[in-house]
Amino acid sequence: KQEVTQIPAALSVPEGENLVLNCSFTDSAIYNLQWFRQDPGKGLTSLLLIQSSQREQTSGRLNASLDKSSGRSTLYIAASQPGDSATYLCAGYSGAGSYQLTFGKGTKLSVIP
Amino acid sequence: NAGVTQTPKFQVLKTGQSMTLQCAQDMNHNSMYWYRQDPGMGLRLIYYSASEGTTDKGEVPNGYNVSRLNKREFSLRLESAAPSQTSVYFCASSAQGAATEAFFGQGTRLTVV
Repeated sequence: KQEVTQIPAALSVPEGENLVLNCSFTDSAIYNLQWFRQDPGKGLTSLLLIQSSQREQTSGRLNASLDKSSGRSTLYIAASQPGDSATYLCAGYSGAGSYQLTFGKGTKLSVIP
Repeated sequence: NAGVTQTPKFQVLKTGQSMTLQCAQDMNHNSMYWYRQDPGMGLRLIYYSASEGTTDKGEVPNGYNVSRLNKREFSLRLESAAPSQTSVYFCASSAQGAATEAFFGQGTRLTVV
């Protein structure tokens, strides 16, 4: 069974820093991997989808990479801003025919002005 | 630009009462999902519908039923609510399972007393 781990559970950084959030998974057969953002009391907002054949995706200040051989994905946030404060979740599908996203428990990010 | 819409946003039930959570998407997606989010447990899949006319159990289906009413709508029913079903419920949709990006609604916060 696929398991997804996110470390650290919480992270506090000063505004302007570049930072990396980590996501590891147990099954290298992971298919697509998706990063989400969740604000308190809100739903999940999709940030980036890395498809199985890709190694990374970029959107604005965000860059996500996927290394299936090592069982890791990272989300890089450049020049962090207070508005980036939220919980970041990674989730993956176990296979091409899967309909179940397996989620990590998230990293709560606080960007201090 | 509605995306995935859930109703209600908040609900308090007494043990043994029943209720239906409604979900609709306007993105013409084939696949729809119901997840629950609990502290310390992350998001877990309850049921999904790969396409109109089909439904399947996810990781935690006990105590729930679903109906895929049409391509747009997917409802989740609690027949006899229990305190263990106190949770935040999220509906999601994707064009087609693992191959495509998942989009989430804003959630329904359910308390069973």
